Order: sequence, then C-alpha cells, then structure tokens
Amino acid sequence: QVQLVESGGGLVKPGGSLRLSCAASGFTFRDYYMSWIRQAPGKGLEWVSYISSSSRYTNYADSVKGRFTISRDNAKNSLYLQMNSLRAEDTAVYYCARDAGAGPIIDAFDIWGQGTMVTVSS
Amino acid sequence: SSELTQDPAVSVALGQTVRITCQGDSLRTYYASWYQQKPGQAPVLVIYGKNNRPSGIPDRFSGSSSGNTASLTITGAQAEDEADYYCNSRDSSGNPVFGGGTKLTVL
Repeated sequence: QVQLVESGGGLVKPGGSLRLSCAASGFTFRDYYMSWIRQAPGKGLEWVSYISSSSRYTNYADSVKGRFTISRDNAKNSLYLQMNSLRAEDTAVYYCARDAGAGPIIDAFDIWGQGTMVTVSS
Repeated sequence: SSELTQDPAVSVALGQTVRITCQGDSLRTYYASWYQQKPGQAPVLVIYGKNNRPSGIPDRFSGSSSGNTASLTITGAQAEDEADYYCNSRDSSGNPVFGGGTKLTVL
C-alpha cells in the first residue's frame, strides 16, 4: 500500500546535526513533489521544506533556511532532510508528506508518514 | 504567526452540524485543504480544492470558500470526528502554510 516511513530522529545537542530519511513505497515516487512538515510538542503544523519531483526546485521556511537541506534519491524512493546548527526550537515531530499534485492553486498533502521525533537539548 | 487564522476550539452536539473556518488573504487566490489529526497520529487529508474528498473520507465532510474565508463543514458529527483540524494554503510568498488548528469537541 501507499506508505511513507520516516527514520533518523533522536536526541541531539544544540548546534548539532541530524539527517532524517523518508522511505516511500506503493506509488511512483519520482512523479511527486515532497515536503517535510514539523509539529512542535503541543503545537500546530509548520511546513519546513519542499522539493520538486526531479530535485530541480527546493524551498525552505525562513525558520530553517541556511541550516536545513532537503534532497531526494528517486532511484531509492527516498527523501532526506539534513539538519545542521540545530536549535531548541527545532524540537518537533518531523513528517514527510506527499504533495497531491492537485493543481497550481491547491496545496494538498495526501500521504503522510508516521513522523520521527527530533529533540534538541543539552 | 500563521497567515491563516482558525478558531482555537469549537464544539458540536453529537449528530449536529458544525462549521470550522479558516481566514486569510491568500484564500482569495488559493484553495484551502483540510486535515484531521487525532492524538498521537499523523494528519489525514479530508478535503482539498473546491470540495474534493480523498478516497475513504465520509461524505459528511465538505468544504466551501467565500472571499478570504474557507470552511470545513461536518454534517451529522460523530464521536470519531473529535480531533484537531488544520487548514492549509499558501502564504504571501507562495509557500505552504497551515492555520493554527481548531480543536473540535463532540458533546
């Protein structure tokens, strides 16, 4: 079935780095834009970054620009998020999500992983 | 702060109809999508575009939009509909943005 499975979360000290992975299955991964979306404990959803199907286009929320890098490997059906210079405020559950591709004026994330927890603390 | 504004909490009696709203200037240009999130679970897309439901979403969920306000309506709310609901659209830079979320309580 259509599935996204994140991994790579954990406890890291402020200033440290972490690389998240998201394994996709059950659909043609290379056809879809993908995003990372996070949720701090007890808070709402925050979009972090997206990458186009061919990796040509990427974009980042201002809160992570210059510190996080999104990438993908279509041969491995995998999405990644390299997180550097981590801060306490980056503590959150990180979800990978598929862009439904519903049209140019529609944002819709139709498939979500179960999330991976990142905790930044000394 | 989010560029999409939602009421923090809404309640509805079992079997009644409830409307959850989302306000933002970008909604004059972009459609809103709506997600349901239950405790400890990932969000689930329930409405996207003009009024589209993904496969498996009950038809008691519907969406509408007028001006800068998008609405999610649940007609005949069920106990299992108790959850947090988030709207999603674009911000002034064209990037995805989420509303702050609405906690729905079914009485």
